[in-house]
Amino acid sequence: SQWGEENLQALSIQEGEDVTMNCSYKTYTTVVHWYRQDSGRGPALIILIRSNEREKRSGRLRATLDTSSQSSSLSITAAQCEDTAVYFCATDASSGSWQLIFGSGTQLTVMP
Amino acid sequence: EAAVTQSPRSKVAVTGGKVTLSCHQTNNHDYMYWYRQDTGHGLRLIHYSYVADSTEKGDIPDGYKASRPSQENFSLILELASLSQTAVYFCASNPGLGPSSYEQYFGPGTRLTVL
Repeated sequence: SQWGEENLQALSIQEGEDVTMNCSYKTYTTVVHWYRQDSGRGPALIILIRSNEREKRSGRLRATLDTSSQSSSLSITAAQCEDTAVYFCATDASSGSWQLIFGSGTQLTVMP
Repeated sequence: EAAVTQSPRSKVAVTGGKVTLSCHQTNNHDYMYWYRQDTGHGLRLIHYSYVADSTEKGDIPDGYKASRPSQENFSLILELASLSQTAVYFCASNPGLGPSSYEQYFGPGTRLTVL
C-alpha cells in the first residue's frame, strides 16, 4: 500500500477548534491532493500541494508537505459544523496516466 | 461547470447476475476512471481509460470489465456479480493536460448491493 494507515480514522471536535489531519506515504510523489467527501456524494478536490511547495493555503485550509519524511497534513482553522466530512489524501501514481492513489481517509465530525 | 453523472444511483443485484454501471461526463476530458469504495476505506482504482474504445486495468480489475464507447461515456460491467462486489462505485474524469491536469472530477456514486 502507498499509505501508512489502512482504515478510516475518526476525529470529533467542537465548533471553533482547530484540527489537523495527517497522511504519510511510502513512495515518491510529485503532488499531494486533499479531497473532501460529503455524505452520499463523490469526493471533491479542496487543495493540492506540489513537491516544490512546503505549504499551501486556501481560506481556512492549510496543507503542508514534507518530502523528506514523506508526509502531508491538512489543517482547518476554526472548524465549523459544515466542515463535517471525510477527508482523503491522495498521491499521483507516477505512471503517466494521471492516476491517483487514495489513502483511507479521516472522518471529521464538528459538533456545535 | 464540470459534470459527471452516474446511473443508476443505487442497484440491488443477485449473485451471478450481470450488472452494468454507466458514467457520462460533459467535461470534454480524455481520462475517465472507475473506483470502488468499501465502508471505512479509501477509493481503489478498478479500470481507467484515456481514449475512446480503449480501457486499461487499474489496481483491482478482477471480476470487472470496462467499456469506453465514446469520450463522454464509460461503463463498468460485472459479468457475474458476487457478494464481495457490494460497494459504492465512483466514476471520475480528468483532463490529463494543463495546470489542472491532476484534479479528478467525481460523479455522485452508485451504491451496489449484491444479494
